[in-house]
Amino acid sequence: GNSVTQMEGPVTLSEEAFLTINCTYTATGYPSLFWYVQYPGEGLQLLLKATKADDKGSNKGFEATYRKETTSFHLEKGSVQVSDSAVYFCALRNSGNTPLVFGKGTRLSVIA
Amino acid sequence: NAGVMQNPRHLVRRRGQEARLRCSPMKGHSHVYWYRQLPEEGLKFMVYLQKENIIDESGMPKERFSAEFPKEGPSILRIQQVVRGDSAAYFCASLPAGEETQYFGPGTRLLVL
Repeated sequence: GNSVTQMEGPVTLSEEAFLTINCTYTATGYPSLFWYVQYPGEGLQLLLKATKADDKGSNKGFEATYRKETTSFHLEKGSVQVSDSAVYFCALRNSGNTPLVFGKGTRLSVIA
Repeated sequence: NAGVMQNPRHLVRRRGQEARLRCSPMKGHSHVYWYRQLPEEGLKFMVYLQKENIIDESGMPKERFSAEFPKEGPSILRIQQVVRGDSAAYFCASLPAGEETQYFGPGTRLLVL
């Protein structure tokens, strides 16, 4: 079946540090891949997505590249800010109206 | 265009009571998904509905849980005879027909005492 594995947290970084959150997936077919962010007490917001191999999704300084050969979709940001502190979820969705399959989430804390 | 709305945001119930969670999708969105998030876990799919139809309920427990999305009004997730293990955050997401990106509501945090 489909599954998403992402690195365990929590991750604590100093402001302006480089961020990588690893995400790998197992899926049948060719899924679309997503990163969602959840700020404290809020729902999930779509951060970025990629729909096919070698696509790069980017938003707010974050980026992730759909790597079919390594079945990965790692999230990166060159310089994190305190306001980036949140839980980040990697997710996939196969074609059609199938539901999202989420990883367990990675909590990021950025300290000034 | 208002986002996906859920109410209540917080709900406290005693064991054995009923919980009703409401989700109003974004305007023009005819598809609704419900997900459950247990503490320190990712979201797990429960049920997928279109207007007046349940399309996929494979993630929903067979007993005590039900969902509907009537022609008029919000989608409702109903949990009868709640137990402590039902304590979780319940999120709904909506999207229009033919699109891929799901838009999430703020969630309802259910606490069963």
